[in-house]
Amino acid sequence: GAVVSQHPSRVICKSGTSVKIECRSLDFQATTMFWYRQFPKQSLMLMATSNEGSKATYEQGVEKDKFLINHASLTLSTLTVTSAHPEDSSFYICSATFPDRAKTEAFFGQGTRLTVV
Amino acid sequence: AQTVTQSQPEMSVQEAETVTLSCTYDTSESDYYLFWYKQPPSRQMILVIRQEAYKQQNATENRFSVNFQKAAKSFSLKISDSQLGDAAMYFCALANFGNEKLTFGTGTRLTIIP
Repeated sequence: GAVVSQHPSRVICKSGTSVKIECRSLDFQATTMFWYRQFPKQSLMLMATSNEGSKATYEQGVEKDKFLINHASLTLSTLTVTSAHPEDSSFYICSATFPDRAKTEAFFGQGTRLTVV
Repeated sequence: AQTVTQSQPEMSVQEAETVTLSCTYDTSESDYYLFWYKQPPSRQMILVIRQEAYKQQNATENRFSVNFQKAAKSFSLKISDSQLGDAAMYFCALANFGNEKLTFGTGTRLTIIP
């Protein structure tokens, strides 16, 4: 299957700083990537849809200015948590979809555990 | 808005036995996909099985099979011959055709008893 790599897997940052998380599709071109957030023992909540070369589409309630998403190439999308606060601590997961529409499947990165202290 | 409901927060099964995880959903779309994902302690999401809504035949993948009842909007997962490695969180998810955005249920934690 297709491989999606997410980096870093863990990051600890100080309150008020910014953190960038990368999501790469290693062996296919992903025109669309998705960013999810997962709180402890909870489900995945979609934050935004990232399209190559265009602005991301954010879900209702997600702050665009806090969670900056850039999809500069067909293999890389980045999520930057700006001015992070302890409440932003969470598990962030990206996914990319294989461009074959006849076989809809999302491939997930390994996730990033963000801890803001 | 579409929703996915998993009413069983936790389930347990004896090793080698069969267990069924429940999932119901709601969508106004007529063409969609349903998925079961497994999330082990590593937190890596792994696709277990996929069902296209237009297909009447239930999907199967080795020990995993689904019971897809479109009219009832029900999509249960049956795991046969349960193995210790099956222990994980299982998420039911829905995506509309042409839009791979996934809506997840709240998950079921499956424990395998040796």
